[in-house]
Amino acid sequence: KNEVEQSPQNLTAQEGEFITINCSYSVGISALHWLQQHPGGGIVSLFMLSSGKKKHGRLIATINIQEKHSSLHITASHPRDSAVYICAVIIQGAQKLVFGQGTRLTINP
Amino acid sequence: EAGVAQSPRYKIIEKRQSVAFWCNPISGHATLYWYQQILGQGPKLLIQFQNNGVVDDSQLPKDRFSAERLKGVDSTLKIQPAKLEDSAVYLCASSVRDKRYNEQFFGPGTRLTVL
Repeated sequence: KNEVEQSPQNLTAQEGEFITINCSYSVGISALHWLQQHPGGGIVSLFMLSSGKKKHGRLIATINIQEKHSSLHITASHPRDSAVYICAVIIQGAQKLVFGQGTRLTINP
Repeated sequence: EAGVAQSPRYKIIEKRQSVAFWCNPISGHATLYWYQQILGQGPKLLIQFQNNGVVDDSQLPKDRFSAERLKGVDSTLKIQPAKLEDSAVYLCASSVRDKRYNEQFFGPGTRLTVL
């Protein structure tokens, strides 16, 4: 079993829909990243959080340390949000990132 | 501030050939990472450098992969000889040393196709 599990693996929605991507992990962490990867391959960091909630534009990330769970929400989704979203955790006491397998999001116009 | 630079962006080779990738991290970032990302999977750490020293290379297939960061700045990852299963995106990332939460900044990646 992977240390970081994401769901769903693939998600297709219509423009304007509210999107939720989930991430569960089984190890102690010091922080969690949400990353976005477009078809060209480059990865952009969206959020890094260790507690609570962060918001940036239409994106919201939450984390529950006790439940070892994080969610990424996209409000008023748009076709340009189509990408792979990856959850990655920083293992407590280490400088290593452990990645989930990613969620492929497709937003249709 | 310039980001992490990688080259080439794309490379197509035949199996048993050799290939090298180059990465220039963000200026001042002491830690550099090479990841392999196979299609449909999350990135897998191949090697982590702290300045010019190797911190973690436990998942590097050392019979065919090698990496160096001689002056503690830019880095080269080499595959010799390549196999079909090496087809992947190779990502380089860097981070500031001693930063507790280790925010990593990624380059655009090199997409390798082995035929």
